[in-house]
Amino acid sequence: EVQLLESGGGLVQPGGSLRLSCAASGFTFSSYAMTWVRQAPGKGLEWVSSIIGGGDNTYYADSVKGRFTISRDNSENTLFLQMNSLRAEDTAVYFCAKCPHYYYYYYRMDVWGQGTTVTVSS
Amino acid sequence: QSVLTQPPSVSAAPGQKVTISCSESGSKIGNNYVSWYQQFPGTSPKLLIYDNNKRPSGIPDRFSGSKSGTSATLGITGLQTGDEADYYCGTWDSSLRVVFGGGTKLTVL
Repeated sequence: EVQLLESGGGLVQPGGSLRLSCAASGFTFSSYAMTWVRQAPGKGLEWVSSIIGGGDNTYYADSVKGRFTISRDNSENTLFLQMNSLRAEDTAVYFCAKCPHYYYYYYRMDVWGQGTTVTVSS
Repeated sequence: QSVLTQPPSVSAAPGQKVTISCSESGSKIGNNYVSWYQQFPGTSPKLLIYDNNKRPSGIPDRFSGSKSGTSATLGITGLQTGDEADYYCGTWDSSLRVVFGGGTKLTVL
């Protein structure tokens, strides 16, 4: 069974940092692009960042570019999101999602994790 | 930047049909595939439709998708109370940024 399990969320002060992880199982992790999507309380879905299967290419939403870094460890089947200079508007549930292609992260997300909550507040 | 516009809410009676629209304004996404996601409160989204009109394995044929120009539509027939959820359309813009619609809350009266 394909599974994604996020962790690392929590309460952090504005300007602080947090590292999210997403443990993948049930599929050949390195063969697929992966994506982070977030959802602020009571709001819709917002794409955050994507990375292709090999990890060579990364992509970011303008709202997080320069502050967030996506990476992956294909030997450990794990996706990461390093979040720095956090702001109140980054408060959201962060989902990791699998894309059904090695390169074309933007086509769709076919498997989603359960999400991890990030709260940025003093 | 592209924006996908969905109605905030739709409603229909059990057994009826409902459609949810997703229209684009801004960047050139007219030739791009549209996906639809279903999200129940407190849970993660689930892929419902991809490539405009294809259903992943396990999705009942009560759910259908279509696209014409820069507008896409999700159709649900034989409505059930279990279909009450938020529905999101998604695609990408000319800069290969993933974009989602604002979401539509479906109420089955």
